[in-house]
Amino acid sequence: DTGVSQNPRHKITKRGQNVTFRCDPISEHNRLYWYRQTLGQGPEFLTYFQNEAQLEKSRLLSDRFSAERPKGSFSTLEIQRTEQGDSAMYLCASSGQWGLKDAQYFGPGTRLTVL
Amino acid sequence: AQSVTQPDIHITVSEGASLELRCNYSYGATPYLFWYVQSPGQGLQLLLKYFSGDTLVQGIKGFEAEFKRSQSSFNLRKPSVHWSDAAEYFCAVGASDAGNMLTFGGGTRLMVKP
Repeated sequence: DTGVSQNPRHKITKRGQNVTFRCDPISEHNRLYWYRQTLGQGPEFLTYFQNEAQLEKSRLLSDRFSAERPKGSFSTLEIQRTEQGDSAMYLCASSGQWGLKDAQYFGPGTRLTVL
Repeated sequence: AQSVTQPDIHITVSEGASLELRCNYSYGATPYLFWYVQSPGQGLQLLLKYFSGDTLVQGIKGFEAEFKRSQSSFNLRKPSVHWSDAAEYFCAVGASDAGNMLTFGGGTRLMVKP
């Protein structure tokens, strides 16, 4: 068990560019979550997958944000036409099949800076 | 909708002293409750969780938390703080009827004096 991994760890981009982040969950976990954390705040839920199905996406911040998990393993989070307000830490978490009875285990995050 | 309040933004305690971090939640049903710790540059690490049964739960690193339904609280405690406990602590409530999302409080930053 190597834990949840996220790549890249840091991303600096210019406003208007597209960025994509990758998350590899714990191998036996079928649930995957994305959160965003801004400075001095707690994480904020964005979206959730069970296997390859995206079961909750109403909290994605705008239509510039999208996420995929095509084979039910790794996931990607894409932000199109980035804005300075998108600068934040993007966290991925995974959990097992028992929903909230299985705690969510978090990766180290991808820190995005939009110039 | 669920919400979490951590009333203390910063707390400073002396090494060896006891610690209590406060957490109040709002949720209509029986909550799933969690405490996470985040050290600088690190991801969130789960300390403990509660969803049913004994209202006093034990976690890692000597932490414990007590669920009090009447007070809508889930306070985190440790009898003797170590310098390595300095970090940010987050309380979270989970909602199974909302995509298993966790709603986090704003966090409490713990500083430990030698």
